[in-house]
Amino acid sequence: NAGVTQTPKFQVLKTGQSMTLQCAQDMNHEYMSWYRQDPGMGLRLIHYSVGAGITDQGEVPNGYNVSRSTTEDFPLRLLSAAPSQTSVYFCASRPGTETYYGYTFGSGTRLTVV
Amino acid sequence: AQKVTQAQTEISVVEKEDVTLDCVYETRDTTYYLFWYKQPPSGELVFLIRRNSFDEQNEISGRYSWNFQKSTSSFNFTITASQVVDSAVYFCALSEGSSGTYKYIFGTGTRLKVLA
Repeated sequence: NAGVTQTPKFQVLKTGQSMTLQCAQDMNHEYMSWYRQDPGMGLRLIHYSVGAGITDQGEVPNGYNVSRSTTEDFPLRLLSAAPSQTSVYFCASRPGTETYYGYTFGSGTRLTVV
Repeated sequence: AQKVTQAQTEISVVEKEDVTLDCVYETRDTTYYLFWYKQPPSGELVFLIRRNSFDEQNEISGRYSWNFQKSTSSFNFTITASQVVDSAVYFCALSEGSSGTYKYIFGTGTRLKVLA
């Protein structure tokens, strides 16, 4: 059971570089989201998707883009990396939009921007 | 507005001690769900439990128990006879039944260190 797969696990970027964090799930979940985890701030929602072709912004979307061309994949793009984007990023999915579902999380990507 | 407060930033206990992690929430909805997640040193968050706002029964699962009290807006998590493997960051989360953005609010987490 793969669940939610994130790649890469670690990444170092220079300021101004762009990159894509990959996320794939094999559970046929409708709902997928990206969170960032920063010390003392818990997890904050970046973007989310309620199905293929549908995405929306969370509470901290600036500097990030997403797309959802298939049910399985939900990549997160950093357009021009900044030191403030140094964080641990988690992709998470759940079966549907109903709020009683628990999340399945990926293993995270630790990103450092220098 | 939604809010989840985990006032304990870090707790250290000696193995076999009992420990309670506090979670206090704020919501205006009558229908909502509360969750606990565990983040071990490996980094991946793992779902532990969900409670809905209509069910105030306490839950016990092995050494873990959860105490949900609507009167105090709390959903506390107790580990009995703690073990080193319980060392992790624990997050409490809230989702509202009427949330238009389908999102959770996470607390800031409590780091539990269980010493051998």
